[in-house]
Amino acid sequence: GAGVSQSPRYKVAKRGQDVALRCDPISGHVSLFWYQQALGQGPEFLTYFQNEAQLDKSGLPSDRFFAERPEGSVSTLKIQRTQQEDSAVYLCASSLVEGDEQFFGPGTRLTVL
Amino acid sequence: LAKTTQPISMDSYEGQEVNITCSHNNIATNDYITWYQQFPSQGPRFIIQGYKTKVTNEVASLFIPADRKSSTLSLPRVSLSDTAVYYCLVAQPYSGGGADGLTFGKGTHLIIQP
Repeated sequence: GAGVSQSPRYKVAKRGQDVALRCDPISGHVSLFWYQQALGQGPEFLTYFQNEAQLDKSGLPSDRFFAERPEGSVSTLKIQRTQQEDSAVYLCASSLVEGDEQFFGPGTRLTVL
Repeated sequence: LAKTTQPISMDSYEGQEVNITCSHNNIATNDYITWYQQFPSQGPRFIIQGYKTKVTNEVASLFIPADRKSSTLSLPRVSLSDTAVYYCLVAQPYSGGGADGLTFGKGTHLIIQP
């Protein structure tokens, strides 16, 4: 079956631009997570949704980062006024229910010039 | 959160058995040990999880001593396609989200040569 998909796979932005990254979780998965992975590092947790409710956003690095999942399926991670330090791979993961195994998408590689 | 320590990199050859050891001295009673694998340009993929003694699946084995302060991921007869980064995580079973969710370290970069 289809796994988690993310788009775009690659995004280049000029510093100060806004970007939107999309995640399509596995159909029927209740939980959705966003992670940020810097070069040479492991993924770091950003935020968590249960259906449309954002239950934890403690990992978002600044108020320039915003995530939504309005209908409890597709999620969008938005970064406003991008900075060079935002350059990273942004990973999305979903799980059937909270506490279940997480399935990761391929990630979106964001490069801010 | 229990901190994990694992080698930054390892090399081996095709057909060999590879053992990657992870230290987690402060593991809590309710914590499980989970290993993920990540290939370039892909997200991490769950490999195996265990609590104590030995767990085996079609991909790997996980050895956990009685004191649970370390664990060893064993990959039998590796091939070139096993070249990847391997992460050792200590957490509640399949827990996700929040400060107590999946916490990845830098992982072990395993390189398999012909």
